[in-house]
Amino acid sequence: GESVGLHLPTLSVQEGDNSIINCAYSNSASDYFIWYKQESGKGPQFIIDIRSNMDKRQGQRVTVLLNKTVKHLSLQIAATQPGDSAVYFCAEGSIIQGAQKLVFGQGTRLTINP
Amino acid sequence: EAGVVQSPRYKIIEKKQPVAFWCNPISGHNTLYWYLQNLGQGPELLIRYENEEAVDDSQLPKDRFSAERLKGVDSTLKIQPAELGDSAVYLCASSSGQGAVRNEQFFGPGTRLTVL
Repeated sequence: GESVGLHLPTLSVQEGDNSIINCAYSNSASDYFIWYKQESGKGPQFIIDIRSNMDKRQGQRVTVLLNKTVKHLSLQIAATQPGDSAVYFCAEGSIIQGAQKLVFGQGTRLTINP
Repeated sequence: EAGVVQSPRYKIIEKKQPVAFWCNPISGHNTLYWYLQNLGQGPELLIRYENEEAVDDSQLPKDRFSAERLKGVDSTLKIQPAELGDSAVYLCASSSGQGAVRNEQFFGPGTRLTVL
């Protein structure tokens, strides 16, 4: 059954609008960050990554922003589509460790309303 | 190219029973991971293999969990005996290994375990 008291942050946006999902990471030594998308019944899927020597990185309809001062990461999705509905996780790791030991944050459920 | 394959997709067992999960990584991927994902939470690493060697099993509850990757390809994760709190999704992932330009982890669909 479900864990008592567990609350997954949610975000609802209208189709076509932009969405911003935020994440606070914990380890100031982390120098590699990834956003994953997880659809129901599937494993997490890589969206975009960023290294700590960058503040911003853009992909197709997605942009990741990194603020190392406050240990904050955000994912911007432009012109959202119904297929963007999913749970989004940020993960932090270390380049020296080959980005193999990832620590995932709590997810955010994004719902796209038609 | 096939992705990471896991079986079974769903498993329901009674507490104290044993259970095993199987994973076939992407061909050529030397690194294999087992994660535990509780409802509404991010995956948590249980064990990481480099070929057939378990290089990080610090988060694996060794009193009841075990894993193997005998030939450095497929892997099995076992729980014996299962407890109610083991109900979760068990994810397997694989990657090219350290040294790759971007060591992206590719996840399988997971096995959803329900312990009654």
